[in-house]
Amino acid sequence: DAGVIQSPRHEVTEMGQEVTLRCKPISGHDYLFWYRQTMMRGLELLIYFNNNVPIDDSGMPEDRFSAKMPNASFSTLKIQPSEPRDSAVYFCASSLRAAGLVTQYFGPGTRLLVL
Amino acid sequence: QKEVEQNSGPLSVPEGAIASLNCTYSDRGSQSFFWYRQYSGKSPELIMFIYSNGDKEDGRFTAQLNKASQYVSLLIRDSQPSDSATYLCAVNMGSGYSTLTFGKGTMLLVSP
Repeated sequence: DAGVIQSPRHEVTEMGQEVTLRCKPISGHDYLFWYRQTMMRGLELLIYFNNNVPIDDSGMPEDRFSAKMPNASFSTLKIQPSEPRDSAVYFCASSLRAAGLVTQYFGPGTRLLVL
Repeated sequence: QKEVEQNSGPLSVPEGAIASLNCTYSDRGSQSFFWYRQYSGKSPELIMFIYSNGDKEDGRFTAQLNKASQYVSLLIRDSQPSDSATYLCAVNMGSGYSTLTFGKGTMLLVSP
């Protein structure tokens, strides 16, 4: 089975540009999570969806960040305008709640560098 | 503020030794606990989970849970250089939660 797929794997952009990160969750999973990882702050949850509906976006740092999940097999995280402090690795993860457990599986991540 | 605490390390052990990684959590209602391994430049990979007090073994890995002490650990027996990675502890705070709270991870270095 294919795991979580993310694209692009690497993104280098200039401050002020729009950045769009993409994620395809594992087929059949009903939860999708967007995380950001930095050395200083570790792994931070930005937003998560259940059955394509955003449930909690309290981790989104600013209005410059937005996320959508138009269908069960696709989600985007958009940063507009981007800033150097947005440089980080962005992970998408998906899970299926079963028997009371929420086991998350991570994609390979997108390394974002904003110059 | 629900927190998961881990010693950042690095924890250095010689090849063949037992590595012991520890994690404490703040929410007494937490119900399930996960260990992820993350190699440098890679994504977190699930190793195992535990939700009952006691030990759970999977190959060279043993997870230990003590809910009264709010403590979970991961033992790696016969440590190999390929085990060198950062180990992330993650906690699901309860049946009403669908998210995991992650610790910042412990770096493990296994020397040949």
